[in-house]
Amino acid sequence: GAGVSQSPSNKVTEKGKDVELRCDPISGHTALYWYRQSLGQGLEFLIYFQGNSAPDKSGLPSDRFSAERTGGSVSTLTIQRTQQEDSAVYLCASSRDWGSYEQYFGPGTRLTVT
Amino acid sequence: AQSVTQLDSHVSVSEGTPVLLRCNYSSSYSPSLFWYVQHPNKGLQLLLKYTSAATLVKGINGFEAEFKKSETSFHLTKPSAHMSDAAEYFCVVSSSSGNTGKLIFGQGTTLQVKP
Repeated sequence: GAGVSQSPSNKVTEKGKDVELRCDPISGHTALYWYRQSLGQGLEFLIYFQGNSAPDKSGLPSDRFSAERTGGSVSTLTIQRTQQEDSAVYLCASSRDWGSYEQYFGPGTRLTVT
Repeated sequence: AQSVTQLDSHVSVSEGTPVLLRCNYSSSYSPSLFWYVQHPNKGLQLLLKYTSAATLVKGINGFEAEFKKSETSFHLTKPSAHMSDAAEYFCVVSSSSGNTGKLIFGQGTTLQVKP
């Protein structure tokens, strides 16, 4: 079956612009996670959704970052007023449910802020 | 709080020789542990997982890992390395804080396989 998909695969933006990153989870997966992979910080958790609600936003680096999920499916991560330190690969993962179930990752969106 | 330490940032082996990637974890209760692999320009793929069943876990592509509670370790092994095993490997613990299941990643180990 189809895996997790993310779009765009690459995004180059100018400092100060807003960007939206999209994630389509595996059909039927109720839990959705966003992570960020950068050279200096490794892989770090950003936010988690169970259905459409986000019980854990503890990893969002600043109030410029926000995310939403609609219909228990597609999620959008929005970064406002992008900064150069936002440059990273943003990964989305989904799992059958929250907890210890394995997470399936998408290919990521590589964001470059110039 | 949970944490993961991968003891080697880079491991180099010859094709056909055994692979050992070391991982230690810290957790206040029984953790769920995973190994993920990331090939260049590819997404993260689950190799194997431990969730309090058998302590020796078999994964894909001939990899296995053994959960040792007394040593707080979850080392990844493979009897014979293949060129296609060259990749970045991440040891991961699932955070049980609030039961969100968010993953906490180690810093990664780059496996190089020489012909």
